[in-house]
Amino acid sequence: GAGVSQSPSNKVTEKGKDVELRCDPISGHTALYWYRQSLGQGLEFLIYFQGNSAPDKSGLPSDRFSAERTGGSVSTLTIQRTQQEDSAVYLCASSLRQGAIGELFFGEGSRLTVL
Amino acid sequence: KQEVTQIPAALSVPEGENLVLNCSFTDSAIYNLQWFRQDPGKGLTSLLLIQSSQREQTSGRLNASLDKSSGRSTLYIAASQPGDSATYLCAVRRAGGGADGLTFGKGTHLIIQP
Repeated sequence: GAGVSQSPSNKVTEKGKDVELRCDPISGHTALYWYRQSLGQGLEFLIYFQGNSAPDKSGLPSDRFSAERTGGSVSTLTIQRTQQEDSAVYLCASSLRQGAIGELFFGEGSRLTVL
Repeated sequence: KQEVTQIPAALSVPEGENLVLNCSFTDSAIYNLQWFRQDPGKGLTSLLLIQSSQREQTSGRLNASLDKSSGRSTLYIAASQPGDSATYLCAVRRAGGGADGLTFGKGTHLIIQP
């Protein structure tokens, strides 16, 4: 597609429910990142996919968080048993490849509110 | 560990002024530096990307410079307009890469007064 697409744009859920957030990167981009941005805070790295390599999950805050990337394209971030502190904007970004060019393009984000 | 600092955290200026936003980083072994703007409730929009071998990049009224040896980058905005109001973030990619090789500053919240 023309840009990074994320869905849903807004999600309100009850504490304890599971949520799935979707990211469709720019076509041909092999690198995909998930970040979290809490109100008034900077970007917090969550997970990184590069081609067919094993993902870098070092930023995931707990085992309630997981992500997958199917076919090297679309990615899904899953949060199980959501907590109020999970409320944030979840941003996805992609780049053509990590390294040589590396320009990062972001989606509009998915705003998650846990009641 | 790379640390990226943006000063000031917030800035309010009258329309028409030229202004400079600052980004400093502690580890000069970088691959590139990217400036973004973020409007409220939106994602990040890429403004300029400077490779480590470059000194500056220009796009319209924006000019970004990079001084690797001193660990600094500046974003110069000429003839500011109310539409420039946004949060501006810089991100530094460490040479050698990896996901944790990308470090973001906390941003400068810019308000241009009409």
